[in-house]
Amino acid sequence: DAKTTQPTSMDCAEGRAANLPCNHSTISGNEYVYWYRQIHSQGPQYIIHGLKNNETNEMASLIITEDRKSSTLILPHATLRDTAVYYCIVRSNTGNQFYFGTGTSLTVIP
Amino acid sequence: DAGVIQSPRHEVTEMGQEVTLRCKPISGHDYLFWYRQTMMQGLELLVYFNNKAVMDDSGMPKDRFSAKMPNASFSTLKIQPSEPRDSAVYFCASRRPGQFYNEQFFGPGTRLTVL
Repeated sequence: DAKTTQPTSMDCAEGRAANLPCNHSTISGNEYVYWYRQIHSQGPQYIIHGLKNNETNEMASLIITEDRKSSTLILPHATLRDTAVYYCIVRSNTGNQFYFGTGTSLTVIP
Repeated sequence: DAGVIQSPRHEVTEMGQEVTLRCKPISGHDYLFWYRQTMMQGLELLVYFNNKAVMDDSGMPKDRFSAKMPNASFSTLKIQPSEPRDSAVYFCASRRPGQFYNEQFFGPGTRLTVL
């Protein structure tokens, strides 16, 4: 599976959009981009995934560049409860393993 | 739905003792995963099952760790003998059958401390 690169930490003001970037320049054609988050002391939680089209659900939006070498997770109106570590994962359609990496620690500031 | 259930939530034991962690997946899910999380290594996959059969245990130290899934609603991860370096949070996750991109649902974890 392709390796991902994320910033170590980010801050975001409460109520503003949080934009979390992820680079996956070695992604291959059959690999999906997944985002999970882990709130302190809890298990990881699925947020969203996509292949090449932008995706939106009740939690977030996922923007994938046309060349698929990077993506951005958008939390449209960040709240204090969105403070967590966010993991960008690339996984093939033939694998069941997730490699979580180190993620981005997002702090939402009041 | 109760979600993935893990027990115990916290375990403190002494080096050399046997430790058994338990997991009940979400009903109807046929994939079950065991992860370990430490500050140094992050979240690592140890082993996963599909329909109760081990599919990949390459991440699990086989000399002291063993994982079983005797039925569709129960799995154990056993460490014998335990060592201080096994101190970590152990997560169990399950996934429903069907599409490969289905999300994994994680349990609350078991925090293990080996003294």
